[in-house]
Amino acid sequence: EAGVAQSPRYKIIEKRQSVAFWCNPISGHATLYWYQQILGQGPKLLIQFQNNGVVDDSQLPKDRFSAERLKGVDSTLKIQPAKLEDSAVYLCASSQSLYLTNEKLFFGSGTQLSVL
Amino acid sequence: GNSVTQMEGPVTLSEEAFLTINCTYTATGYPSLFWYVQYPGEGLQLLLKATKADDKGSNKGFEATYRKETTSFHLEKGSVQVSDSAVYFCALHPSNAGGTSYGKLTFGQGTILTVHP
Repeated sequence: EAGVAQSPRYKIIEKRQSVAFWCNPISGHATLYWYQQILGQGPKLLIQFQNNGVVDDSQLPKDRFSAERLKGVDSTLKIQPAKLEDSAVYLCASSQSLYLTNEKLFFGSGTQLSVL
Repeated sequence: GNSVTQMEGPVTLSEEAFLTINCTYTATGYPSLFWYVQYPGEGLQLLLKATKADDKGSNKGFEATYRKETTSFHLEKGSVQVSDSAVYFCALHPSNAGGTSYGKLTFGQGTILTVHP
């Protein structure tokens, strides 16, 4: 079974530039998540999708971050313009449903973003 | 709101030593509790979980018991190996979540474990 695929693996940009990350979840997984993991901290949920609909984006800085999952499969997360404090690892995860008490959450390897 | 607090790290041990990583939580009701592990260069993986009070989760020699009275879920292993070197995250999923709370894991800050031969 293929895992959650993310690209690129690393990205270095200057502040005020834009950047995009891509995620392909495990086949058949309806639920997709984007987490931000700042060095020394645990992952923080940015946005979660159920199929192509947004379930929760309350932690997403909407003035600069956007995410979409148009066909209910793969997803992109964009930052425009980037700030220094956006330097982090961006993790994509997927699960068959939202009910994580009984479901397993699968994570990708992440995209490490450095904003200079 | 929900929160998870892990012991200060990093933790450095010799092979075959006993491991404890403390985790306490704040949440309403009876959340489900998880330990995730992140090996170098890899994504987070579920290590073990417990869904109700007094449940013990176990996997790969690791154990954790859900203690409602102390709101804790401490991770233990009797004899660590070099291959256990990784970052360990405690997390919770809210109970009776409903609506948009489903699927929202709250993570602790992580504990780096290094095991020397």
